[in-house]
Amino acid sequence: GAGVSQSPSNKVTEKGKDVELRCDPISGHTALYWYRQSLGQGLEFLIYFQGNSAPDKSGLPSDRFSAERTGGSVSTLTIQRTQQEDSAVYLCASSLGPLVDEQFFGPGTRLTVL
Amino acid sequence: KQEVTQIPAALSVPEGENLVLNCSFTDSAIYNLQWFRQDPGKGLTSLLLIQSSQREQTSGRLNASLDKSSGRSTLYIAASQPGDSATYLCAVTVMYNQGGKLIFGQGTELSVKP
Repeated sequence: GAGVSQSPSNKVTEKGKDVELRCDPISGHTALYWYRQSLGQGLEFLIYFQGNSAPDKSGLPSDRFSAERTGGSVSTLTIQRTQQEDSAVYLCASSLGPLVDEQFFGPGTRLTVL
Repeated sequence: KQEVTQIPAALSVPEGENLVLNCSFTDSAIYNLQWFRQDPGKGLTSLLLIQSSQREQTSGRLNASLDKSSGRSTLYIAASQPGDSATYLCAVTVMYNQGGKLIFGQGTELSVKP
């Protein structure tokens, strides 16, 4: 079956603009995760959804970041008023259930803020 | 706070060699450990998942072991090939609210020379 898909694959934006990143998890996977990979920080966890709810948003880097998931499927990560330090690859993953199940990753969205 | 360390950071070997990549973690309270492969500019490909109650997993030329009490995992690659060249990441799943999140190491960049 289809894997995790993300769009766009690349996004170049100007500082101060808002961007929206999309993730389509594997069908039937209830858990969805967002991670960020940047040169200086490696791979870091951002937020996790079980169904449509995110129990804790404290992993998001700042209040400019928000995420939602609708219908237990597609998720969007929104970054408002982008800054140059937001430049990174944003990776989405999904798993059948939380905690013990394997996480499968999408190809990522490379965000460049000029 | 869980920290994951991978040694070495980079490794170059001639084709055909057997090799071992090391991963250590500071807190034994993990649910599982995953090994991933990442090719340049690409997302993560899951290689092996070891649940906390397991000692090892095998897939083809890959064998991963887990010693939870000592906080160590190894990924053994037999008869390495140039196509194995990539960055290898290990990650542990830790409890996060009602679910789990992955904590990643910094990766080992492997180069297999023909």
